Amino acid sequence: ETGVTQTPRHLVMGMTNKKSLKCEQHLGHNAMYWYKQSAKKPLELMFVYNFKEQTENNSVPSRFSPECPNSSHLFLHLHTLQPEDSALYLCASSLGDRVTEAFFGQGTRLTVV
Amino acid sequence: AQSVTQLDSQVPVFEEAPVELRCNYSSSVSVYLFWYVQYPNQGLQLLLKYLSGSTLVESINGFEAEFNKSQTSFHLRKPSVHISDTAEYFCAVTDSGTYKYIFGTGTRLKVLA
Repeated sequence: ETGVTQTPRHLVMGMTNKKSLKCEQHLGHNAMYWYKQSAKKPLELMFVYNFKEQTENNSVPSRFSPECPNSSHLFLHLHTLQPEDSALYLCASSLGDRVTEAFFGQGTRLTVV
Repeated sequence: AQSVTQLDSQVPVFEEAPVELRCNYSSSVSVYLFWYVQYPNQGLQLLLKYLSGSTLVESINGFEAEFNKSQTSFHLRKPSVHISDTAEYFCAVTDSGTYKYIFGTGTRLKVLA
């Protein structure tokens, strides 16, 4: 248990569906991250929020929409995804005001059919 | 821009043998370096980190890594591996300006009986 909780752990969705991934941390961190991990590809940083402000959008397609209502919660809203979006989506958090390690959740395994 | 290179995608090694997993980084600013481990269907767990001070850092389960600024390296070593060390290992870099964690492509360590 790392203190970062992701739900659901597994998700299967059709290309026309809308779904959301949730991430929650109670570590008192101010920075939160979404990463995409695909088979045989490096871990890709998607979005960074620091003190609720989005500080990074790494050229992510608009069918992925992040939301950070407060420093403890992070969502990734999904709509009209493609099969190539199937991957493990990892959420992480860190202090955000000085350098320490990032803490990761267990991930959501997403399959787009 | 920061980047991390892990040249070895897979490293097979016999149990109780030593192992070295290589990591080289590229950055124009002061860096902070990390090694994470990932077991199947799980998130990333911190193994060890270099933030400042001694360039040799150790983990509680026998791994160590040395920050070498002149060679821009942060190789991970263990003098004697166990079957339970079989996992994927990721090297990561961040800096104090962006708080972005950039990962290498990972090295799959397979310990053979």
